[in-house]
Amino acid sequence: GAGVSQSPSNKVTEKGKDVELRCDPISGHTALYWYRQSLGQGLEFLIYFQGNSAPDKSGLPSDRFSAERPKGSFSTLEIQRTEQGDSAMYLCASSLIAGGPTGEQYFGPGTRLTVT
Amino acid sequence: DAKTTQPNSMESNEEEPVHLPCNHSTISGTDYIHWYRQLPSQGPEYVIHGLTSNVNNRMASLAIAEDRKSSTLILHRATLRDAAVYYCILRDDFNFGNEKLTFGTGTRLTIIP
Repeated sequence: GAGVSQSPSNKVTEKGKDVELRCDPISGHTALYWYRQSLGQGLEFLIYFQGNSAPDKSGLPSDRFSAERPKGSFSTLEIQRTEQGDSAMYLCASSLIAGGPTGEQYFGPGTRLTVT
Repeated sequence: DAKTTQPNSMESNEEEPVHLPCNHSTISGTDYIHWYRQLPSQGPEYVIHGLTSNVNNRMASLAIAEDRKSSTLILHRATLRDAAVYYCILRDDFNFGNEKLTFGTGTRLTIIP
C-alpha cells in the first residue's frame, strides 16, 4: 500500500517568507508526527497529532512554527518569517496507534527546506 | 527519557553477521527498546523492538541482556543495502504521553564489499 507522502520534496525560499509543508499519512493511521533533521544532526521531534488534536507540541522551536491536522488525515506544517536556521529536512511519520509497543512509526521521504 | 549509548561508527564485511551494541544502563521497567535505521537520503525505518525477551523478525534479531542494561541488534548477513545509521531508542510504551521517538546520534554502519 501507499506509504507516508510529503510535499514538496524540495523547497527553496527566501529569508522572511512563509512556507507550508504537507504530510499525507498512511490511510487509517491515527497518529502523525513531525520531526526535523538539520545537516549532520540527529532527528528532533517537533509535534505529535492524535486524530485532529495535538497532545504534544513541546518540540516546536518557536511561535513561528505551527501545524494543523484539521480532519485527522493530512497535516500541514507552517513556518512563518523563515530564517536560515530553519534549513533542514522535515520528516513526517505516522503510526496506526499512538505509542504503545506496537506503535511503530512509518516515515515519509521528507521535505528538504533551504532558506537563502 | 532514559539515554542510550552507541558507538559512533562500525564497519562490517558484506555477507557477514553484524552486531550493533547499545547501552542503556538507566532503562526503566516500562521502557521498550526500539531500533530504527536511516538509509542515506531517506527517512528512518522501523527495524525491531523488544521488552525483555530476544526478538526475531525478517530484518534482524534483537538480543536483550538479562538485566536489560544493554542490547544488541544483529543483522545475520549484512548486504550493501544495510549501510545506514542505526538508532537505539528507549520509549515508555506503558504510559501515555510518551509517543514521540527521541533519536540520539546512532551508529553509522559501513558495509565493505
